[in-house]
Amino acid sequence: EAQVTQNPRYLITVTGKKLTVTCSQNMNHEYMSWYRQDPGLGLRQIYYSMNVEVTDKGDVPEGYKVSRKEKRNFPLILESPSPNQTSLYFCASRGQGSTEAFFGQGTRLTVV
Amino acid sequence: AQSVTQLDSQVPVFEEAPVELRCNYSSSVSVYLFWYVQYPNQGLQLLLKYLSGSTLVKGINGFEAEFNKSQTSFHLRKPSVHISDTAEYFCAVTPTSGTYKYIFGTGTRLKVLA
Repeated sequence: EAQVTQNPRYLITVTGKKLTVTCSQNMNHEYMSWYRQDPGLGLRQIYYSMNVEVTDKGDVPEGYKVSRKEKRNFPLILESPSPNQTSLYFCASRGQGSTEAFFGQGTRLTVV
Repeated sequence: AQSVTQLDSQVPVFEEAPVELRCNYSSSVSVYLFWYVQYPNQGLQLLLKYLSGSTLVKGINGFEAEFNKSQTSFHLRKPSVHISDTAEYFCAVTPTSGTYKYIFGTGTRLKVLA
């Protein structure tokens, strides 16, 4: 089954404690991206990757890092999380030449 | 640059009544248009998309949307809603070339009342 898998689904952490949210897709898609969803703001792009070892900032990259060492994986790293990063995060992938993006189930992060 | 406006943050409607969720967009380049649905505690699921051709597109679960180029709108409609349609709906656009980025509206929460 074609899917984008994020882990964990829920995470509560403390300010400053480094964390990683994993994202994996099994569709051999070139393009992957991370979004955060906040009430009244919709989904905003954090980072994206056009292919292995090619990443770039989206609209709200501050406080986040990403890497793309393998085509299927695109982890989101918060080196020093802060409460304003409490949000619902989505990973998405899209194939080259395709119009449709596939989304993961989301990761609800709470930073206290 | 592109932007998407969903003017209605919440829409309450009684079961079996029709509903329209409004979406307007702004773009200096050609775009593809999408509606996604997010059920509680779930990810985003594609409802329908407009790429080209007929301006009336049909999606899953009885939803349809009409692309109006002159009004830069892509409103979502359903003639008769069910309780199970309660969810948040997002309109999104992506340029037809040059970038794979999606630009989302702020979402409309549809609440179907018994």
